[in-house]
Amino acid sequence: GAGVSQSPSNKVTEKGKDVELRCDPISGHTALYWYRQSLGQGLEFLIYFQGNSAPDKSGLPSDRFSAERTGGSVSTLTIQRTQQEDSAVYLCASSLSRGMSYGYTFGSGTRLTVV
Amino acid sequence: ILNVEQSPQSLHVQEGDSTNFTCSFPSSNFYALHWYRWETAKSPEALFVMTLNGDEKKKGRISATLNTKEGYSYLYIKGSQPEDSATYLCASANYGQNFVFGPGTRLSVLP
Repeated sequence: GAGVSQSPSNKVTEKGKDVELRCDPISGHTALYWYRQSLGQGLEFLIYFQGNSAPDKSGLPSDRFSAERTGGSVSTLTIQRTQQEDSAVYLCASSLSRGMSYGYTFGSGTRLTVV
Repeated sequence: ILNVEQSPQSLHVQEGDSTNFTCSFPSSNFYALHWYRWETAKSPEALFVMTLNGDEKKKGRISATLNTKEGYSYLYIKGSQPEDSATYLCASANYGQNFVFGPGTRLSVLP
């Protein structure tokens, strides 16, 4: 597609439920990132996929968070047993490579609210 | 883990004023720095990718400079307009590491 697409744009869920957030990157972009921004905070790195390499999961805050990228394209971020502190805007970005020379193209984000 | 700082946290200027803000990052093992503009309800938009000490880039009324030896970058906006109102993010990366974002500077341009 022309841009990075994320869905849903908004999600309200009850504490303890599982949620799935989807990211469809720009075709041909090998690098895909998930970030989140909690209220009043900066962008927090979560996970990075590069081609067929093992993902860099160093930013995932707990084992309730997981992500996969199927076929080198679409990615799904799953949060199990959601907690109120998981409420944030979750942003996906893609890039031609690791982004050193190109910058990231971001999606419009998913605003997650855990009640 | 890198610590990227931005100042000021927020800024209010009058239409037509010029303004600037700062991104600070560790200078050792520096590889690249990005500036983004993030308007409310939209995606962050890449403004500049900077890698070389002394780099100066310009896009319309917005320009940026980079000092990798002392670890800072300035973003300048000349003749601010209400449509410049946004959060301006910088992100810095060391060799072989992922970008770390600063907390942003929230700019409000008052008509």
